[in-house]
Amino acid sequence: EPEVTQTPSHQVTQMGQEVILRCVPISNHLYFYWYRQILGQKVEFLVSFYNNEISEKSEIFDDQFSVERPDGSNFTLKIRSTKLEDSAMYFCASSTSGLSTQYFGPGTRLLVL
Amino acid sequence: AQSVAQPEDQVNVAEGNPLTVKCTYSVSGNPYLFWYVQYPNRGLQFLLKYITGDNLVKGSYGFEAEFNKSQTSFHLKKPSALVSDSALYFCAVRDDLYNNNDMRFGAGTRLTVKP
Repeated sequence: EPEVTQTPSHQVTQMGQEVILRCVPISNHLYFYWYRQILGQKVEFLVSFYNNEISEKSEIFDDQFSVERPDGSNFTLKIRSTKLEDSAMYFCASSTSGLSTQYFGPGTRLLVL
Repeated sequence: AQSVAQPEDQVNVAEGNPLTVKCTYSVSGNPYLFWYVQYPNRGLQFLLKYITGDNLVKGSYGFEAEFNKSQTSFHLKKPSALVSDSALYFCAVRDDLYNNNDMRFGAGTRLTVKP
């Protein structure tokens, strides 16, 4: 069964550094998403991406964040200058259409020191 | 904006007993409702969804959920719990009124099934 994959599984970085989280969505899916889950808290929507552009973003997704689909398979989340409060589990998801079921990857645990 | 509430942080049941994990929602249009399960150190796994049609939805691993429009609820149920069902369960909602992709999650309910 096809699934969403994410790399790395864990990332430790220093405050102020840039990080890129990578995702490979399910191959025939057209909509891509990033969510985050701060330890012990709820899953929060960050951004959705369709047709090579952002379709929606939350108030969390500020200028420090960007997303890109650099090729036909990868979908990346970049945090330009990480802050301590960016420490969280970041989940990528994908779906066939905008309102269909979203399938999630295993997540990348980001720790900012 | 749409929102969802899971009123119980923790649900404990004995193996073999029925389980219910509660969820209520708020939307402006019609809800698209989902249940996901998260096992330790794992991602979110899709269990089931309600879009339209029968109010009782059946999903993976023997779970089902009942959509109740008058009570704005979408409780997750299973007739006979297994120890392996112990996990964190999230209810999520999307609002068809705005045709948006923003799925809002509840805070999660930790289910513990004891042998």
